[in-house]
Order: sequence, then structure tokens, then C-alpha cells
Amino acid sequence: KNQVEQSPQSLIILEGKNCTLQCNYTVSPFSNLRWYKQDTGRGPVSLTIMTFSENTKSNGRYTATLDADTKQSSLHITASQLSDSASYICVVSDRGSTLGRLYFGRGTQLTVWP
Amino acid sequence: DAGVTQSPTHLIKTRGQQVTLRCSPKSGHDTVSWYQQALGQGPQFIFQYYEEEERQRGNFPDRFSGHQFPNYSSELNVNALLLGDSALYLCASSLRRKNTGELFFGEGSRLTVL
Repeated sequence: KNQVEQSPQSLIILEGKNCTLQCNYTVSPFSNLRWYKQDTGRGPVSLTIMTFSENTKSNGRYTATLDADTKQSSLHITASQLSDSASYICVVSDRGSTLGRLYFGRGTQLTVWP
Repeated sequence: DAGVTQSPTHLIKTRGQQVTLRCSPKSGHDTVSWYQQALGQGPQFIFQYYEEEERQRGNFPDRFSGHQFPNYSSELNVNALLLGDSALYLCASSLRRKNTGELFFGEGSRLTVL
């Protein structure tokens, strides 16, 4: 069964600290993995997209890693800011159709305290 | 360049009623997907439209139907509303020929069923 599991479910950190969010998936065949940031009550916004051959991709203070062998990804946030408080969703696409089917994790709810 | 726009942003219905949600994709995009997101959960795929036809469908009953117009805009219709249909409904657009292309989400339509 194609699944995407994220951990932790929620996380609280102090402003300025770093944190790492985890994503494990069983989706096969694999096409790409995406990380989205979703503010409360808003639509998700893309942070990174990684294909099979990419191990690391950065977007400002956000760095995503991908290990396609172990089917794991992480999202590292450096020097957190209050505006980083949001849900971070891992999404994996398969190659089962012309436009790969997307499988969503349940998200990690990050809260950054001042 | 307008992004994905959805309407209405909020609406309240009663059980048994019908609702229509609307979505205009990002300029240049030809594929529209709809997602249901319950509170605290990740988005669940409802269906995807391309060339005015439903191309993929998730595990949602026939009460959920849709349409895509020649200008690529789309509607989501839900009949015989249930309390469990209360959720944030997200529309996402993409360009079909780019399987790893960006998926842009709208801000969503918050449906409350009383």
C-alpha cells in the first residue's frame, strides 16, 4: 500500500533554533518528492521538489534531503523564525499515470515560540 | 499573473443540501485537481481533470462530481451533504506535460455542514 508517514506529528521550538522533520514513504514506483508549507486555513505552498537522482535541495533556510534507497526524506529548517509556524506536508508522486498520483502525508505541525 | 483562485472562501450548508465550489487555475496550466482536507489531516485526493474529462479519481463516493470548462476552470459539486463533508476543499493546478512540474494550490473553500 502506498503510504507517506511523517514525524513528529507536532513540534515546538524556540525562535532561532534549528529543526528537522522526517518523511518515510512506501510509494512505488517513485517519481518525485515534494515538501509543502501550509499556514493555518491557507493553501499549501511548495518549498522543494526532488526527483530520484537528487539528494539535497535548498530553498533559503529550508534544506530537503532524499534517500531513495531507504525511502526517507528530511526537511531541515535553519535559524527558525516565528513565520515558520505552519504545517509541513510531505508529498510523494508515483509514475503510475501520465501525471503521477500524489500521496500526502498528514503533516508535521511546527510551532516557533519567541 | 494570478495564481489559483477559488470561490467561495467560506460557506455554510445544511445536511442534504448541494454545494458547488469553483476554481480558476494558474495562467498557463491545463490540469486541475481537487482535494479535501479535514482539520488536522493532510489533503485527500478527490479527482483530477484534464481536457474537460475526469482522468483520475480518489476514494470518494459519486456524490462528489466535477467539471472542467474549455478555459480550464473547474467546479466541484457535492450532493446530499453529510456532516463529515465539512472540510477545507483545495484546488490545485499544474501543467500536464510536466510530471515533476510545480503544483500550485488555491487558498481553499472552507465548507461547514450543519
